[in-house]
Amino acid sequence: DTAVSQTPKYLVTQMGNDKSIKCEQNLGHDTMYWYKQDSKKFLKIMFSYNNKELIINETVPNRFSPKSPDKAHLNLHINSLELGDSAVYFCASSQGTGSGELFFGEGSRLTVL
Amino acid sequence: SQQGEEDPQALSIQEGENATMNCSYKTSINNLQWYRQNSGRGLVHLILIRSNEREKHSGRLRVTLDTSKKSSSLLITASRAADTASYFCATDPTGNQFYFGTGTSLTVIP
Repeated sequence: DTAVSQTPKYLVTQMGNDKSIKCEQNLGHDTMYWYKQDSKKFLKIMFSYNNKELIINETVPNRFSPKSPDKAHLNLHINSLELGDSAVYFCASSQGTGSGELFFGEGSRLTVL
Repeated sequence: SQQGEEDPQALSIQEGENATMNCSYKTSINNLQWYRQNSGRGLVHLILIRSNEREKHSGRLRVTLDTSKKSSSLLITASRAADTASYFCATDPTGNQFYFGTGTSLTVIP
């Protein structure tokens, strides 16, 4: 069983569209994250949820909205996609906030045309 | 910014040689972690070193931490082709979040 799974793995869409990426973890962790990795491999934290509550919301445009229906799931919805949103988005989870090992999904590569 | 910065950006060595990569950060931390990312894959945790530790070993990996210089190094001994990957350090200045840099891209030539 995959510990942290993301779908879809690849997403190609037009500017202006709305898309979602789903993430699920079966590790029993209570904290989940979204990271964005750009073309230079810089990995930037976007959001962090602990027990379905938002803890961290780094300087991310309002077009990005995370939703955590339960502590095993953290989905990312993106409105009005822009070219600059093209990146690989990683979901991760950990037990507790900070100080613990992060478990990453395999990433979702988003290409905006 | 709070992210770690890895150096060098790219490193190419022969199989069997040792690989050393460095990480510098800007604020005090609770601990520092190293991760590996194979091409097209997610990051995998390698090792965690706490702020009160100076050195830690795990198999062929050796990590050092110098909090006075705000730097850490990752040494991979007797490198193998399978070690080819990008390596990232992650710091948690607030005890709440981990911040990454752009990584060191390591190529091990068979």
